[in-house]
Amino acid sequence: AQSVTQLDSQVPVFEEAPVELRCNYSSSVSVYLFWYVQYPNQGLQLLLKYLSGSTLVKGINGFEAEFNKSQTSFHLRKPSVHISDTAEYFCAVSVLYGNEKLTFGTGTRLTIIP
Amino acid sequence: DTGVSQDPRHKITKRGQNVTFRCDPISEHNRLYWYRQTLGQGPEFLTYFQNEAQLEKSRLLSDRFSAERPKGSFSTLEIQRTEQGDSAMYLCASSDRDSRSGANVLTFGAGSRLTVL
Repeated sequence: AQSVTQLDSQVPVFEEAPVELRCNYSSSVSVYLFWYVQYPNQGLQLLLKYLSGSTLVKGINGFEAEFNKSQTSFHLRKPSVHISDTAEYFCAVSVLYGNEKLTFGTGTRLTIIP
Repeated sequence: DTGVSQDPRHKITKRGQNVTFRCDPISEHNRLYWYRQTLGQGPEFLTYFQNEAQLEKSRLLSDRFSAERPKGSFSTLEIQRTEQGDSAMYLCASSDRDSRSGANVLTFGAGSRLTVL
């Protein structure tokens, strides 16, 4: 079975500074990878996804992530954060040719410091 | 397209009562998923439907939980004899297949938050 590890439960960052949220996955087969964002008392919004092709994927709100198969990682980055980026971020994985249900990590709470 | 709709958004109930949540997926999506999210955790898979067929159920889905999707459109999740441990956010998602890769991409609703007193 696949699994996702988000080592950082909380990340505080000053406004306009860069940020990287780490995600590592485990799977014996090829995967699809996703980052979702959750604002307080709301559902999950898709930030970006890696399905195939280029390993560098760009998403909404200026975020990007790079799929690294050898390191089984899919870290999320933004060069300059804004107060509005304060939220919980979840990395998720699904496997090719499975029922493609998502397996989520435990999340990283990003707090932007003014 | 109004996205995935869930109702009610919040439900407070007493232990032992039954509750039902409704999910209306994006109309052209044939797959529908239910997840549960407890405080400080990531969402956990409960069950999913392809059209009206329930194809997989998690071990988390005890016999007090039942989900239906009678006509392959909206779905309901019922919890009987609620317990305090059932307090959580219940998330519904529907999925569309990416035309290039064939992958299912899930779109989530805003969730239904259950508090059991």
